[in-house]
Amino acid sequence: SQKIEQNSEALNIQEGKTATLTCNYTNYSPAYLQWYRQDPGRGPVFLLLIRENEKEKRKERLKVTFDTTLKQSLFHITASQPADSATYLCALDEGNNDMRFGAGTRLTVKP
Amino acid sequence: NAGVTQTPKFQVLKTGQSMTLQCAQDMNHEYMSWYRQDPGMGLRLIHYSVGAGITDQGEVPNGYNVSRSTTEDFPLRLLSAAPSQTSVYFCASSGLAGGGNGELFFGEGSRLTVL
Repeated sequence: SQKIEQNSEALNIQEGKTATLTCNYTNYSPAYLQWYRQDPGRGPVFLLLIRENEKEKRKERLKVTFDTTLKQSLFHITASQPADSATYLCALDEGNNDMRFGAGTRLTVKP
Repeated sequence: NAGVTQTPKFQVLKTGQSMTLQCAQDMNHEYMSWYRQDPGMGLRLIHYSVGAGITDQGEVPNGYNVSRSTTEDFPLRLLSAAPSQTSVYFCASSGLAGGGNGELFFGEGSRLTVL
């Protein structure tokens, strides 16, 4: 069956460290993989999109990698801040308009 | 610029009642979709549309109906509500015809409780 698994429900790190979140998928061939941030009681907000032929994307303190052999995406936040505390969702689309989401990882950055 | 607007924000229904969740976007986006979000299960796609007059089913379409008569509006109808439909519902839109090739803009959600 198809699965999207995000490494853990919760991740706690110290301010200034790099947070690394994992998204693994099974029985998908995604054409696109996206990462979103969701704050409590709010809708998800888009962060980054990476395509199947791209290995890495960066945006300010954010970096996403995409390994189609390992069927995995890593999402990094460098120099993390308490304001980065949120739930982060990965989502993938096989190019058929049917975007599927993982359950998310709740990140807490402690001062 | 309002983006994606969902109404109502909160709703309580009794089993068997019907209702419509409204979604409107003012960005002239072709792609619109509805998700439900349940604890520990992430967002699950209910229905989506790639343009006016075109709709298709997602992962969990049963018990829900949609239509797309205009580019701006994409209402979600519950014909006979069941407790299993208690959830938070999100509407999203994208400027590209394919959902995955462009960022999704989400509304703030509609929290539905079915008693």
